[in-house]
Amino acid sequence: GNSVTQMEGPVTLSEEAFLTINCTYTATGYPSLFWYVQYPGEGLQLLLKATKADDKGSNKGFEATYRKETTSFHLEKGSVQVSDSAVYFCALSEDSGSRLTFGEGTQLTVNP
Amino acid sequence: DAGVIQSPRHEVTEMGQEVTLRCKPISGHDYLFWYRQTMMRGLELLIYFNNNVPIDDSGMPEDRFSAKMPNASFSTLKIQPSEPRDSAVYFCASSLQGIYNSPLHFGNGTRLTVT
Repeated sequence: GNSVTQMEGPVTLSEEAFLTINCTYTATGYPSLFWYVQYPGEGLQLLLKATKADDKGSNKGFEATYRKETTSFHLEKGSVQVSDSAVYFCALSEDSGSRLTFGEGTQLTVNP
Repeated sequence: DAGVIQSPRHEVTEMGQEVTLRCKPISGHDYLFWYRQTMMRGLELLIYFNNNVPIDDSGMPEDRFSAKMPNASFSTLKIQPSEPRDSAVYFCASSLQGIYNSPLHFGNGTRLTVT
């Protein structure tokens, strides 16, 4: 079956630090990959996505590249801000259905 | 666009009581999803609908859980009878075309506590 594994949190960084949150996946087909973000007290929001190998998704300074050879979709940001503090979820969707499989989530805290 | 609207925001009930959670999806969205979020199990898909028809309910934990979508603008998730292990945050989400082609839009969730 499909699965998504994220690096364990929580992650605590200082403002302007470089961020990497690792994500690897297992899938039987050719999935689309997503990063969702959840701010305190809110539902998840789509941050970025990539639908095929070597695609790079980007949004709000965040980037992730779909690496089929390493089955990875690591999230990066060059300079984090306090407002980036949230829980980040990696997820995948197979091309055959509408089921979205989420990773465990990684709590990020950015201190001023 | 008001987004996905869920009610109530918080629900506290006693074991054995019936609980009904409500959701209004974004107008025009054909897909509606119910998720449950707990610390132990993360985000779990319970059920999803396409054009008001339940497509996949394999995530519904047991017969105590039921979900309906009587029309395109309203869905309910019912737990009867409720148990303490049902305590979680329940999210409703909708999408325009299904998650492969369009993003999920989540509501702010209902935090359920069963004592």
